[in-house]
Amino acid sequence: DAGVTQSPTHLIKTRGQQVTLRCSPKSGHDTVSWYQQALGQGPQFIFQYYEEEERQRGNFPDRFSGHQFPNYSSELNVNALLLGDSALYLCATLRSRLAGSSYNEQFFGPGTRLTVL
Amino acid sequence: SQKIEQNSEALNIQEGKTATLTCNYTNYSPAYLQWYRQDPGRGPVFLLLIRENEKEKRKERLKVTFDTTLKQSLFHITASQPADSATYLCALATYGGATNKLIFGTGTLLAVQP
Repeated sequence: DAGVTQSPTHLIKTRGQQVTLRCSPKSGHDTVSWYQQALGQGPQFIFQYYEEEERQRGNFPDRFSGHQFPNYSSELNVNALLLGDSALYLCATLRSRLAGSSYNEQFFGPGTRLTVL
Repeated sequence: SQKIEQNSEALNIQEGKTATLTCNYTNYSPAYLQWYRQDPGRGPVFLLLIRENEKEKRKERLKVTFDTTLKQSLFHITASQPADSATYLCALATYGGATNKLIFGTGTLLAVQP
């Protein structure tokens, strides 16, 4: 049973560029959340996708957008990159409450390390 | 303002001792609280979840308590081992909206000395 996978592992971009990060959920999971983790900080919630729709959003600008596909995988897009966007981007997946009793347990992927120069 | 605070300084303990990590929160009404382990450059790994109506949860050498009056959770690792060295994150989830949105503390670095 594959866990949560993310790609790429590392990415280097320059200011103003755009980036797309990808996440495949753990088998049986249908809900995907994205988090940003700056060095020395805890992860911060960006947004969550369920049934291909954004369900809730954290305090992030519109430069951050996402998508969920019918197979539950997800993408995070960041436009007009800033130096401050450098961070570890984490994807977390879970089984929605409608699908089972363990809906509260979230499983994280290994993350994508984004460096903006 | 809303805050989640964990021991900001690293916790150093001797192998075999019990490590106790603290998570305090302010101005939240969490539905449940989770503890994660994170190794450098890796994603957090889920350890334990405790709901608002539970006082204590155990899993092998791990124990977590939840006191909604004190607004505090304690995380214990008994018979600690050098392999337990990592950063431990607490995260809470509140009612309403996407209840699985997690709000994390900054984490506590645990170092277990052999």
